[in-house]
This record gives sequence, structure tokens and C-alpha cells, in this order.
Amino acid sequence: SQQGEEDPQALSIQEGENATMNCSYKTSINNLQWYRQNSGRGLVHLILIRSNEREKHSGRLRVTLDTSKKSSSLLITASRAADTASYFCAAGGQGAQKLVFGQGTRLTINP
Amino acid sequence: DAGITQSPRHKVTETGTPVTLRCHQTENHRYMYWYRQDPGHGLRLIHYSYGVKDTDKGEVSDGYSVSRSKTEDFLLTLESATSSQTSVYFCAIRGAGPNTEAFFGQGTRLTVV
Repeated sequence: SQQGEEDPQALSIQEGENATMNCSYKTSINNLQWYRQNSGRGLVHLILIRSNEREKHSGRLRVTLDTSKKSSSLLITASRAADTASYFCAAGGQGAQKLVFGQGTRLTINP
Repeated sequence: DAGITQSPRHKVTETGTPVTLRCHQTENHRYMYWYRQDPGHGLRLIHYSYGVKDTDKGEVSDGYSVSRSKTEDFLLTLESATSSQTSVYFCAIRGAGPNTEAFFGQGTRLTVV
């Protein structure tokens, strides 16, 4: 399975601090995707990093990918209360149509 | 927002009854997915479709069936609802190609009593 597994399961930090979440997966991938879910809502796509990329930025988001370790990390810099949400990774496998998610990291930003 | 609509948004049903959830898209995307989300389990893939009449099982497909007779509609049926199927169900769509993102519906909260 290409399933992504996030770590930690829960993270609580102060506003303004950086938040780092990690994701591990099991098989070869085309890409690794990160999504955000606000309470009671559907997931929203944040960023996609391809298997031949090592780092990608989007605003306050920085994603890294290490295919040798089958892992990715999502860094949110200068966190805000509005960043409070659950964050999920999903591994897009080679030639596979499946998109399989892990349990997510629940991020709480304290004002 | 991507054109994806789930119906109904909320449903309460009795154990043993069949239930059908509908996912409708206006994006003409190739792939469609049904997930369930439960505390402590994240999102688990139930079934997915890679084209009209082309579907495959996910990791928790027992007790569920799907149909896709048109590009725009993906139906999830609980053949005989059980209390363990009480959950929030999400539909997602994704375009063709290996590096495409998924768009999610708002979810259907199903309670089986």
C-alpha cells in the first residue's frame, strides 16, 4: 500500500512558532500530497511534491521529500490560530489510481 | 470550489435498511473516490472508480457497493446498514494523470440506529 502515515498524531504550539509534521509511506510513488481539514469539513489540497523533487515551497508551507527514506515533512512557518486543523498526507503511487491517506496530524495553534 | 456535491448531507437510518449516498461532479474528472472518516482511523478508502463502469475496492469495502453509470455520478450503497457503518462519508474527485490533486465534497454524516 502507498498509505501515508503522519507523525505526530497531535501537535500543540504557540502562535508564531513553526510546526513540523512528518509522513512516511511504503512503496514507490509518483508524488506525495498534503491536505488540510478544518473541523467538520472536507479535505483541501495544500501542496503536491513530485518524486523527483526534494523541496517545494508555497507561501508559509515548505515540503520536503526523501524518497530514499520514504518520508516527507510539512513545515508551516510563523503559525497562526487559523492554521488549527488536521493535516493529512497521501502517497500517489506509480501507475495507481488509488489515493490513500493516513490518520492525520491534529495541529492546534494556541493564541 | 470544485464542482462536487454530496447528497444527502445528513441521514439517519435503521439497522438492516439499504442506503445510497450520491456524489455528483461537474468537472468531468476521471477518478472518483469514497472514503469514510472515523475518530482514530483517519480517512479510509472504501471504493474508487477510474472510469464509467470501472470500479475497484479500497481497504474497507465489505458491506459497501458502488456504481458509476455516468462520468458525473458515483453512488455508494450500504446494502444492509449496520451500526458500525455510522460515520462521515467523503467523496473525492481527481483528474487523469499521475500528478493531480483531489477535490473533496463536504461530507455526508450517516447515523445507523
